[in-house]
Amino acid sequence: AQTVTQSQPEMSVQEAETVTLSCTYDTSENNYYLFWYKQPPSRQMILVIRQEAYKQQNATENRFSVNFQKAAKSFSLKISDSQLGDTAMYFCAFMRGIQGAQKLVFGQGTRLTINP
Amino acid sequence: GAVVSQHPSRVICKSGTSVKIECRSLDFQATTMFWYRQFPKQSLMLMATSNEGSKATYEQGVEKDKFLINHASLTLSTLTVTSAHPEDSSFYICSARDLRGQGETQYFGPGTRLLVL
Repeated sequence: AQTVTQSQPEMSVQEAETVTLSCTYDTSENNYYLFWYKQPPSRQMILVIRQEAYKQQNATENRFSVNFQKAAKSFSLKISDSQLGDTAMYFCAFMRGIQGAQKLVFGQGTRLTINP
Repeated sequence: GAVVSQHPSRVICKSGTSVKIECRSLDFQATTMFWYRQFPKQSLMLMATSNEGSKATYEQGVEKDKFLINHASLTLSTLTVTSAHPEDSSFYICSARDLRGQGETQYFGPGTRLLVL
């Protein structure tokens, strides 16, 4: 079974700083997807970024980028120029790439606080 | 973008009653939807996978007779908590799989907070 581990329960940085959230996963699959979701205090889950395992290029979305290390099974999220609105729980998630139900497996989450 | 709605956003009910929660994909069709439960300060726990036109698939430990799921159309799935008890109080979130593109992305509803008295 696939597992996703986020080893940082909480992180805190000053506004405008850069922060990196770590995520590791365990799988024997070769084809899969990885995601970072954000859950602000409203509790709405918001997709931040997505990475296909077959793509070597790291995904980027504006201030958000990932460092995908397939051999190491690592998928960290970097937030540049952090903003107060980035304060939220961040969940790393894994999905198998084969046809089927394609369930998401979530990590435990990292609570990120951006301080003014 | 892909928008998923949930209704109601919050519900309070008496113990022993049943509560229905609706999950709708507003601007796309979803043959597959997922239901999650989230306890305070914890991650999401998948309860079941809802498939349009067929029976739902429940995760281990989830009582299918307790949590009834119906996926009657390509845009609507419902979760009914039957004979609710205080221990069923939780935050319930649905997601819908967007089949556009490669269909690997799930978009989430805003969640439903259930309180059973």
